[in-house]
Amino acid sequence: GAGVSQTPSNKVTEKGKYVELRCDPISGHTALYWYRQSLGQGPEFLIYFQGTGAADDSGLPNDRFFAVRPEGSVSTLKIQRTERGDSAVYLCASSLLAGSTDTQYFGPGTRLTVL
Amino acid sequence: GESVGLHLPTLSVQEGDNSIINCAYSNSASDYFIWYKQESGKGPQFIIDIRSNMDKRQGQRVTVLLNKTVKHLSLQIAATQPGDSAVYFCAETPRDSGGSNYKLTFGKGTLLTVNP
Repeated sequence: GAGVSQTPSNKVTEKGKYVELRCDPISGHTALYWYRQSLGQGPEFLIYFQGTGAADDSGLPNDRFFAVRPEGSVSTLKIQRTERGDSAVYLCASSLLAGSTDTQYFGPGTRLTVL
Repeated sequence: GESVGLHLPTLSVQEGDNSIINCAYSNSASDYFIWYKQESGKGPQFIIDIRSNMDKRQGQRVTVLLNKTVKHLSLQIAATQPGDSAVYFCAETPRDSGGSNYKLTFGKGTLLTVNP
């Protein structure tokens, strides 16, 4: 079956621009997660959705970052006024049951480069 | 702050040998641990997990050992193959007030290279 998909796979933008990153979770998965991975580092938690609502957004670095999941499936991570320090791979994961130890399945990521 | 880290950043082994990748964690509230494999250009792939009420768990060619006394986690790969070459991350998560484990904290990673 299809895994988690993310688009675009690569995004190059200029400092100060707005970007949107999309995540399509595995069908039927109620929980969705966003992580950010800098070069040579492990992924860092950003936000966690249970259904349509953000259950934990404590990992978002500042108010330039925002994520939505309006219908409880596809999620979009939005970054305003991008900065060079935002350059990283943004990973999305999903799991079957919210609030459990269900395995988180990761997508391939979107590599964001801010020039 | 508390964190998860790895002792060795790189590990090179011969094909057919056994590999051991180590990880130290410092959050005493962690009760669920996972090993992920990440190949270049791909997202992390689940390998095996273990709860804090266990000290050993085996999968296909992989074994995870947990030593809560010294806060140490290891991943053993038997008969390592070239396809095992990747970066391996340990991740931990504490149980939150609602009884959920969801916020993974990853270590830095160990690069495993398998020589044919």
